[in-house]
Amino acid sequence: EAQVTQNPRYLITVTGKKLTVTCSQNMNHEYMSWYRQDPGLGLRQIYYSMNVEVTDKGDVPEGYKVSRKEKRNFPLILESPSPNQTSLYFCASSLGSPDSGNTIYFGEGSWLTVV
Amino acid sequence: AQKVTQAQTEISVVEKEDVTLDCVYETRDTTYYLFWYKQPPSGELVFLIRRNSFDEQNEISGRYSWNFQKSTSSFNFTITASQVVDSAVYFCALSVVGNEKLTFGTGTRLTIIP
Repeated sequence: EAQVTQNPRYLITVTGKKLTVTCSQNMNHEYMSWYRQDPGLGLRQIYYSMNVEVTDKGDVPEGYKVSRKEKRNFPLILESPSPNQTSLYFCASSLGSPDSGNTIYFGEGSWLTVV
Repeated sequence: AQKVTQAQTEISVVEKEDVTLDCVYETRDTTYYLFWYKQPPSGELVFLIRRNSFDEQNEISGRYSWNFQKSTSSFNFTITASQVVDSAVYFCALSVVGNEKLTFGTGTRLTIIP
């Protein structure tokens, strides 16, 4: 089954404790991206990757890091989480860039709470 | 810059009623793509439809239909004979050439009352 898999789905952590949210897709997609969803703000892009070893900032990259060492994986790293990073996070992938009209498929979401 | 406006924050209708979710977009590009996603209470985002700016034909898929009007920069979504399973947050989104992302509206929470 074609899917984007994120882990963990739910996490409560403390301020400053490094964490990684993993993302994996099995569709051989070149494009991957991370979004966060906050009430009243919709979804905003954090980082994206056009291919292996190619990553770039989205609209809200502060406090996050990413890497793309393999095509299928695109982990999101919070080096020192803060309460304002409490959010619902989505990993996404598509065959190519969304600006060519490629449909973006999303994972199930990861609920992150930083206390 | 691009922008998507979903002015309806929340809508409630009684089951079997028809309901239309509004989406207004802003872009200076002539080539762009519009999307609708559904987010049920379980939280995942489900792709519903994609439309490109050169195709103004309306689309119907079962009880769902979409009305794309470039003249008013709108891409509205209608659910006919609504069902409880339609209860969800619906997002409209836009992508334009040169922008490697989707620009989302703030979503409309639809509640279908049995």
